[in-house]
Amino acid sequence: AQSVTQLDSQVPVFEEAPVELRCNYSSSVSVYLFWYVQYPNQGLQLLLKYLSGSTLVKSINGFEAEFNKSQTSFHLRKPSVHISDTAEYFCAVKKTSYDKVIFGPGTSLSVIP
Amino acid sequence: DGGITQSPKYLFRKEGQNVTLSCEQNLNHDAMYWYRQDPGQGLRLIYYSQIVNDFQKGDIAEGYSVSREKKESFPLTVTSAQKNPTAFYLCASSFSQGPAGELFFGEGSRLTVL
Repeated sequence: AQSVTQLDSQVPVFEEAPVELRCNYSSSVSVYLFWYVQYPNQGLQLLLKYLSGSTLVKSINGFEAEFNKSQTSFHLRKPSVHISDTAEYFCAVKKTSYDKVIFGPGTSLSVIP
Repeated sequence: DGGITQSPKYLFRKEGQNVTLSCEQNLNHDAMYWYRQDPGQGLRLIYYSQIVNDFQKGDIAEGYSVSREKKESFPLTVTSAQKNPTAFYLCASSFSQGPAGELFFGEGSRLTVL
């Protein structure tokens, strides 16, 4: 069965510092990869996704993630975080268009002023 | 304005009572999903439906029931058989065809059993 690992359950970081949230998945076949963000007491929103093509994908608010097939990773990065980035971040994987989405346990990012 | 509406946002119930959570979408999505979220466990799939009048069990379906009589609606009933129902419940929808349909989520319903 597929699984998604997010090794860091909590990541505190100072405002304007860089951050990396790690995500690894287990799959021997090609997958679709996603990062979702959840602000307190809200649902999840798609942050960015990798379907095919360029291995580096970017969001409109400065986050980026790089698909690394050999390491089965899809780490999320931002060069300079803002207070408003404080949220829970979920990595997710899907094998095909018709498959279920499998979510990781989430990483809580806290930005310290 | 298209989206997914969940109600109620907060719900309290006594042990032994059934409760139904509402989920409505106006995105014309074929597929709808119910997830349960507990701290530190991510999202776990309860039930999903790819088409009207059909649904499948997810990973933790025991103690829950659903129906899909209309494309727009996918209510979840938490029955008294669910041993630990206190949780945050999220409804989502997507197109079932096309490349890797993005999930759109509602704002969630927080159920507390007293």
